[in-house]
Amino acid sequence: DTEVTQTPKHLVMGMTNKKSLKCEQHMGHRAMYWYKQKAKKPPELMFVYSYEKLSINESVPSRFSPECPNSSLLNLHLHALQPEDSALYLCASSQAFTGGRNEQFFGPGTRLTVL
Amino acid sequence: QQQVKQSPQSLIVQKGGISIINCAYENTAFDYFPWYQQFPGKGPALLIAIRPDVSEKKEGRFTISFNKSAKQFSLHIMDSQPGDSATYFCAASRPNAGNMLTFGGGTRLMVKP
Repeated sequence: DTEVTQTPKHLVMGMTNKKSLKCEQHMGHRAMYWYKQKAKKPPELMFVYSYEKLSINESVPSRFSPECPNSSLLNLHLHALQPEDSALYLCASSQAFTGGRNEQFFGPGTRLTVL
Repeated sequence: QQQVKQSPQSLIVQKGGISIINCAYENTAFDYFPWYQQFPGKGPALLIAIRPDVSEKKEGRFTISFNKSAKQFSLHIMDSQPGDSATYFCAASRPNAGNMLTFGGGTRLMVKP
């Protein structure tokens, strides 16, 4: 099973709302990633968790707050977003963050619209 | 030195034809080169990947050709089908940067029936 699941599929929120995106994998992967993808562009890395610890934060604004409650779950908490934050948010996982196999498997994404 | 340049930006191929997408990189430390296929509204799906110790890898109708000296790699889709119509991203990563992928800009492929 190489599936990464994400909920919700679609999310519309106002600029004053607080919402969360959820990602889950049951492949035993120890690295999990959040990406942001704008239309017709490649995914842009936001955060990397390795063994449930934040390893990489690509200078993401604090209105995005990641959380890794356990090795299978990854959340992205959203607060006070701007309309330009509207995008497809992708979660991915890989066996590890360093060394060995590098295959990253992506989830289907959450289409976020900020009004 | 982190860039991966992908061409063409868009490609139209007749059904049954060969689709060819090219990528070039600068950083010789890259050691893993995956290709991802993405349909509209979906996440990227890992299609095929290659490491620099191999010059070619084939999986079904998909082949990666790798030229280490030229720092180029390409995806060939043989017998292209309308169902192959999607956006394709090449990527690269280097061993001491974990699994951080550097993506190419993407190629929108349309296969006409």
